[in-house]
Amino acid sequence: GIQVEQSPPDLILQEGANSTLRCNFSDSVNNLQWFHQNPWGQLINLFYIPSGTKQNGRLSATTVATERYSLLYISSSQTTDSGVYFCAVDSGTYKYIFGTGTRLKVLA
Amino acid sequence: KAGVTQTPRYLIKTRGQQVTLSCSPISGHRSVSWYQQTPGQGLQFLFEYFSETQRNKGNFPGRFSGRQFSNSRSEMNVSTLELGDSALYLCASSSRGTNYGYTFGSGTRLTVV
Repeated sequence: GIQVEQSPPDLILQEGANSTLRCNFSDSVNNLQWFHQNPWGQLINLFYIPSGTKQNGRLSATTVATERYSLLYISSSQTTDSGVYFCAVDSGTYKYIFGTGTRLKVLA
Repeated sequence: KAGVTQTPRYLIKTRGQQVTLSCSPISGHRSVSWYQQTPGQGLQFLFEYFSETQRNKGNFPGRFSGRQFSNSRSEMNVSTLELGDSALYLCASSSRGTNYGYTFGSGTRLTVV
């Protein structure tokens, strides 16, 4: 099956800093999503991005499907950005495979 | 617009018992997926339903089962509970399935003692 690797596994930032999270996948995929899990366990969809680039406020994402990776950019980070960021991919089988996540802590 | 509703939020069960978890998707969404989250295994796919049909099932034993009703609400059942079934169970809904963004519910945290 498809393998999904996320890096870095842990990240500590000062408020206001920028960061890039990476997701590599081992095979071609039809669908890709980025999620943020807050400290209370709620998973929030950030982007549905099987290819191309999208932006939403301070967040943006780029997926290069032909090279099998996706990047999530967080600019001007805030303490509320803390949590775990997951990348999930689907190859058209109606199920997502999740990466192990990047745990982000933003310090005030 | 109401989000995805999962009930109950918390549950404590004894080994050997069975449990039923419920998920009400966003109105108009016909696809419901279930995931199990544990510290050791991360997020793992359980099932996906679309218009009452199971389109895929994850690598879980037969003790895990699910169904979807005509109003798109879904239930999952775990029989003969084991300690290792303790987890956060998350339900996601989508209008069309995996080729669209997911909205997750808040989850049901199951503890087996």
